[in-house]
Amino acid sequence: DVKVTQSSRYLVKRTGEKVFLECVQDMDHENMFWYRQDPGLGLRLIYFSYDVKMKEKGDIPEGYSVSREKKERFSLILESASTNQTSMYLCASSGGNNQPQHFGDGTRLSIL
Amino acid sequence: AQSVSQHNHHVILSEAASLELGCNYSYGGTVNLFWYVQYPGQHLQLLLKYFSGDPLVKGIKGFEAEFIKSKFSFNLRKPSVQWSDTAEYFCAVTPYSGGGADGLTFGKGTHLIIQP
Repeated sequence: DVKVTQSSRYLVKRTGEKVFLECVQDMDHENMFWYRQDPGLGLRLIYFSYDVKMKEKGDIPEGYSVSREKKERFSLILESASTNQTSMYLCASSGGNNQPQHFGDGTRLSIL
Repeated sequence: AQSVSQHNHHVILSEAASLELGCNYSYGGTVNLFWYVQYPGQHLQLLLKYFSGDPLVKGIKGFEAEFIKSKFSFNLRKPSVQWSDTAEYFCAVTPYSGGGADGLTFGKGTHLIIQP
């Protein structure tokens, strides 16, 4: 069974801090994704990666960056956290073209 | 860019009632379609998917969905719901990709409550 592990379930940070959210998958998947989930807005794509060191912007990349140094790990970085980045962050991976995505449990991030 | 519209944000049904959740998408090309479910406190799980072939797809837990290309729709159905179906349901679409990857575009979700 596919396992997508996000390093923290809950995280509290302060405005202006640099925040790292980590995600690891154990299925050797090429593709990895970061979404944020907000009530009434559904999930929105922030960034994705289709290979090591490759990244593509999603629908709402502003204020975020990503890093993929190893195939199994995909990090989301909030360069300077702001209160409007308080949200649930979901990581996902997929095994290739036209394959379903598998999601982690999410990280609920609060920026104070 | 594609978009997804889910018709109902909140649905309340009694056990054994039939369910249909509407989903429409906008995109000019070929798409892959998904329904995901999120049970309280759990991660998003795939209910069913459509890539090609038979437009009526069956998923887990007795759910099915029908892809109607002419209507850009992918409605989710279940003939008889159970209390354990209480969850949030998301419709999602991605362009059919011959290479590389594309993220999913999600609808805003439907919160389904089943009353015993």
